[in-house]
Amino acid sequence: KAGVTQTPRYLIKTRGQQVTLSCSPISGHRSVSWYQQTPGQGLQFLFEYFSETQRNKGNFPGRFSGRQFSNSRSEMNVSTLELGDSALYLCASSLGPQGAGNTEAFFGQGTRLTVV
Amino acid sequence: GQQLNQSPQSMFIQEGEDVSMNCTSSSIFNTWLWYKQDPGEGPVLLIALYKAGELTSNGRLTAQFGITRKDSFLNISASIPSDVGIYFCAGQEANSKLTFGKGITLSVRP
Repeated sequence: KAGVTQTPRYLIKTRGQQVTLSCSPISGHRSVSWYQQTPGQGLQFLFEYFSETQRNKGNFPGRFSGRQFSNSRSEMNVSTLELGDSALYLCASSLGPQGAGNTEAFFGQGTRLTVV
Repeated sequence: GQQLNQSPQSMFIQEGEDVSMNCTSSSIFNTWLWYKQDPGEGPVLLIALYKAGELTSNGRLTAQFGITRKDSFLNISASIPSDVGIYFCAGQEANSKLTFGKGITLSVRP
């Protein structure tokens, strides 16, 4: 069974540009959550999608958005990139929505975004 | 918002030693998860705990769900160099998102 796949693995963008990251969850998993990881800040929750609906949203500006498709694949978009957006972006998939009980979250390898 | 406390930020041990790390919360959790992250990679799930008092092992790793449901610990026995990495705990309340600790960076001296 394939794991969580994130593409691309590495990305370099210029300030002001926008970027789209992709996440394919484990087959059969319907929940995808996105996190931003920077040194010293740990894993900061961005949002969670389940059955194409956003269930939870973290404390990030509106420049960060996401969506989920009917096949459970998810994309995350960041517009008007800032230097501070440089981070490892991780997605995690789980069978059911977070909080539903006994739903372990499995992470992809992440996308390393560098904004210059 | 919800916070999980993991401390210290870094731990340094000698190869072959045991190490224990714990995670505490101000709220009650229904689920505790422990992850390990290698540099440049995503976190890998090590152990999942679902009941208060539950003790679960995965090879040299053992984790326990605290009786108060506000804490959990992870123990690594007979450490080896490949145990190096960042260890995260994560907790989940009913009908709420996962909350992660800031992680503990483990270094193992050969």
